[in-house]
Amino acid sequence: DAGITQSPRHKVTETGTPVTLRCHQTENHRYMYWYRQDPGHGLRLIHYSYGVKDTDKGEVSDGYSVSRSKTEDFLLTLESATSSQTSVYFCAISETPTNEKLFFGSGTQLSVL
Amino acid sequence: GENVEQHPSTLSVQEGDSAVIKCTYSDSASNYFPWYKQELGKRPQLIIDIRSNVGEKKDQRIAVTLNKTAKHFSLHITETQPEDSAVYFCAARAPVTSGSARQLTFGSGTQLTVLP
Repeated sequence: DAGITQSPRHKVTETGTPVTLRCHQTENHRYMYWYRQDPGHGLRLIHYSYGVKDTDKGEVSDGYSVSRSKTEDFLLTLESATSSQTSVYFCAISETPTNEKLFFGSGTQLSVL
Repeated sequence: GENVEQHPSTLSVQEGDSAVIKCTYSDSASNYFPWYKQELGKRPQLIIDIRSNVGEKKDQRIAVTLNKTAKHFSLHITETQPEDSAVYFCAARAPVTSGSARQLTFGSGTQLTVLP
């Protein structure tokens, strides 16, 4: 799909291994977000970015780090994956800083065994 | 922080009937309320949103109402069709303040099934 691409789409890994998920956008939007989706919890914000090298924590940031070296790329890293991080991860972008009109990527299904 | 509760968690309706999904929020200063639709295996997509200075907004068969006094808002879908079957998420956004800037708080979702 045009605009925002997540990779990989699926990943299975083992507890304790590092994992990096990538979000790439072609819309030149300043604001990017990482959410996780779990049954019964809706979507919860992990980290977000408001510009190159400018990032901040969301409500469930423990165990995750992010980096944004270019406008188009926003990386999410699990330093040492745990089974509780098994989830579907969505990247989102927006033109404004007010979290309006979020456009989501297709998601990454991550399983930590 | 903001807390959003969404009901019901599952909803089944006959094709052509109306569906209503309700959400309550805790922060009276919240000022923006979007609704997202997520079809099975797909990404969430914005379907309608409303700001706190508006009581109701319509877009074809979809409408959202907001009651600021009671701190709840609802999604109304009329003349439901099978393609309306999906998970619907509400969300609320508190004003930009330190520590909660730019954050939406989502409800836990409603699985809507439209029966033919």
